[in-house]
Amino acid sequence: NAGVTQTPKFQVLKTGQSMTLQCAQDMNHEYMSWYRQDPGMGLRLIHYSVGAGITDQGEVPNGYNVSRSTTEDFPLRLLSAAPSQTSVYFCASTMGLSGDSPLHFGNGTRLTVT
Amino acid sequence: AQSVTQLGSHVSVSEGALVLLRCNYSSSVPPYLFWYVQYPNQGLQLLLKYTTGATLVKGINGFEAEFKKSETSFHLTKPSAHMSDAAEYFCAVSDMGTGFQKLVFGTGTRLLVSP
Repeated sequence: NAGVTQTPKFQVLKTGQSMTLQCAQDMNHEYMSWYRQDPGMGLRLIHYSVGAGITDQGEVPNGYNVSRSTTEDFPLRLLSAAPSQTSVYFCASTMGLSGDSPLHFGNGTRLTVT
Repeated sequence: AQSVTQLGSHVSVSEGALVLLRCNYSSSVPPYLFWYVQYPNQGLQLLLKYTTGATLVKGINGFEAEFKKSETSFHLTKPSAHMSDAAEYFCAVSDMGTGFQKLVFGTGTRLLVSP
């Protein structure tokens, strides 16, 4: 059981480039989300989805796009990378939509924008 | 909206000593509270969670946390630290403001364990 799989593990971009961070889960979870982790700031929610075809913004959505065409996949797109987007990105999923369901996290993508 | 405050960005203990990581939350509704652990170069793993019922919650690896409503706290403890406990620990509260889960994390506490 793979759980939540993120690719790539590492990425270096130049300012203005675009890219897609991939996230896939094999647990048939309805809820998926993207967080970014920055030193001293914990994890901040970027976008989330409660099912295929449904997405919404989190706390820090600017500069990122998402889509959810299948239950399994939830890619995160950086439209025009900026140095402020240098961060570690985590995808997470959970079965339930109630507040007591713990999140399952991928191992992260470390992104550097120069 | 809910929020979480973790006191101390770094906590250092000796192996065998008591571990105490502090977490205070704010919430206008009964909260769901979580502790996650992050080992180097890995994602977060659930340690324990409080939803309803017993206020003392036991988790994996010998950790436990007590929900104290009067103090709005959910501190994480372990009686005896092990070298393998060195990691970053995050407290989180579930934000039910929109009707479903949006987890709000604290800024994390890095636990250092010395021999």
